[in-house]
Amino acid sequence: RKEVEQDPGPFNVPEGATVAFNCTYSNSASQSFFWYRQDCRKEPKLLMSVYSSGNEDGRFTAQLNRASQYISLLIRDSKLSDSATYLCVVQKAAGNKLTFGGGTRVLVKP
Amino acid sequence: DTAVSQTPKYLVTQMGNDKSIKCEQNLGHDTMYWYKQDSKKFLKIMFSYNNKELIINETVPNRFSPKSPDKAHLNLHINSLELGDSAVYFCASSQEGGQGREQFFGPGTRLTVL
Repeated sequence: RKEVEQDPGPFNVPEGATVAFNCTYSNSASQSFFWYRQDCRKEPKLLMSVYSSGNEDGRFTAQLNRASQYISLLIRDSKLSDSATYLCVVQKAAGNKLTFGGGTRVLVKP
Repeated sequence: DTAVSQTPKYLVTQMGNDKSIKCEQNLGHDTMYWYKQDSKKFLKIMFSYNNKELIINETVPNRFSPKSPDKAHLNLHINSLELGDSAVYFCASSQEGGQGREQFFGPGTRLTVL
């Protein structure tokens, strides 16, 4: 079983719609969680950290469920520019090693 | 004013050759990393250096040798290149080791081994 698993998609989303997807992680000792965004043939960039109480950044909402060991990302009012691959990232307690999921591809269409 | 830069951006070479990829960051970060992203898009850490000291060394063939001349630079040398080494290699940096530190990635080096 992979340490961090994501539905690869693609999620085809009409512009203006809401899309949500999850990521599961296997190591219960994981301490920090993030969503990174990677555009085609570009480097990953931090989208947002995920906090225990859940957090929102504009149209993006992230949730963490430690009991079930998953995090989620919800995108409201999708824009064409939201088309990208969203990488779920988990950090263990020791050191700074980040473990990446394989990414969920989102395609927002007019 | 690029934060994390890598050279070259593209590298096409024959099997058996030796090549190097250079990385520099001007963010003043103490920790730098090398990641490999294969054709299935999984991004896996290879090495991490903190203040020129190796702190993470994942299961990577010893044909791969990182070198950190100073904390702003982390280069990757690959000996005897193999077909399976074809991938995109990303350098990244972050502030001193700890939880919740954002990592900043370079633009990647697309390596193709023929």
